[in-house]
Amino acid sequence: DGGITQSPKYLFRKEGQNVTLSCEQNLNHDAMYWYRQDPGQGLRLIYYSQIVNDFQKGDIAEGYSVSREKKESFPLTVTSAQKNPTAFYLCATSPSGRAKGTDTQYFGPGTRLTVL
Amino acid sequence: QKEVEQNSGPLSVPEGAIASLNCTYSDRVSQSFFWYRQYSGKSPELIMSIYSNGDKEDGRFTAQLNKASQYVSLLIRDSQPSDSATYLCATISGGYNKLIFGAGTRLAVHP
Repeated sequence: DGGITQSPKYLFRKEGQNVTLSCEQNLNHDAMYWYRQDPGQGLRLIYYSQIVNDFQKGDIAEGYSVSREKKESFPLTVTSAQKNPTAFYLCATSPSGRAKGTDTQYFGPGTRLTVL
Repeated sequence: QKEVEQNSGPLSVPEGAIASLNCTYSDRVSQSFFWYRQYSGKSPELIMSIYSNGDKEDGRFTAQLNKASQYVSLLIRDSQPSDSATYLCATISGGYNKLIFGAGTRLAVHP
């Protein structure tokens, strides 16, 4: 079964805790992305990675960290420094690691994070 | 000024009618445009991509792009209740493959 998997589907975090969201893909895509979606708003880019061992900050990277040690995996850590982390987190991939301006992005099923 | 703007809706249409969803964008150099459908609680799924001025048809869906007016639209013919969802417009911006999303238009198709 091919595609993008995200786990867990639901995650609850206490104040002051760091949590890590998993994103795995077997599409052999070079690029991977993390977005955050808040109710009634569009998706906002947190981090992206065009190739293994390289990643760049997106528009709202503060309070988040990532790693890209393997092509298939791009985990996102939500740190205690993120003031309002309750949101729907979406991982996406695209075939090309280099900007072509036309590359389509495909989304995983998402993780819904709630801060208690 | 938001980079991609959509009417939040809801847009309510009767079953069998044509639903017209609109999107405007501010970056004149944008070249690529995408329509995603998002059901409540689910992740976005790609419906259409369009890169050139004019119309692009795929089944019941037609995307229309007018770069001079900085306007992109999605038409859904023979609308079905299963089309009820939020439709997100997105364009690629910047020196890398960064998608800029609108906030989405909620479509409700009633029997």
